[in-house]
Amino acid sequence: DQQVKQNSPSLSVQEGRISILNCDYTNSMFDYFLWYKKYPAEGPTFLISISSIKDKNEDGRFTVFLNKSAKHLSLHIVPSQPGDSAVYFCAAILPTDSWGKLQFGAGTQVVVTP
Amino acid sequence: DSGVTQTPKHLITATGQRVTLRCSPRSGDLSVYWYQQSLDQGLQFLIQYYNGEERAKGNILERFSAQQFPDLHSELNLSSLELGDSALYFCASSVGRSPLHFGNGTRLTVT
Repeated sequence: DQQVKQNSPSLSVQEGRISILNCDYTNSMFDYFLWYKKYPAEGPTFLISISSIKDKNEDGRFTVFLNKSAKHLSLHIVPSQPGDSAVYFCAAILPTDSWGKLQFGAGTQVVVTP
Repeated sequence: DSGVTQTPKHLITATGQRVTLRCSPRSGDLSVYWYQQSLDQGLQFLIQYYNGEERAKGNILERFSAQQFPDLHSELNLSSLELGDSALYFCASSVGRSPLHFGNGTRLTVT
């Protein structure tokens, strides 16, 4: 039962433009959301997170937006750079679960073209 | 470099065999988590250990087991291997409620 879904398996964007990655979830009890980035042959690395009590969190070029009524979050990367080419995973945590028991989406492959 | 070390990087074995994957967490991290990533899938939580004790379990098969030793390193044991067990296995560690730091994974191929 996949409770976190990333429906776009891939995204191609030009360097300098905005990348928008989307993530939907089905369980309204999730209280914390994270984005991880993964390069080939490496493990996922933490990018940015947001608590369910907020609707926006920003860190440099990365901004995560949370729309609880729509059970939707998005990651904006502005401006996109070639080094951003990677797989991005959305993940969520239930307050009743152990911290670190993340539920991941299937990932979105981002390719930033010159 | 996340500070989490996983060995081996690659493992090729036959169906029915048993393998052990090893993980050394970041210095100071008491929690170790194991995740499985099958082809084109997101990461699936398997199990968590905290300071030597099992803390949480996900959809881990009965053929799989794990442990965390006094020096905090962890091992994931996979037995009676099947073709469908071929996957990337990631270990992660954390301290408190901080984001997980993942190792680079062990790629298991069962032939």
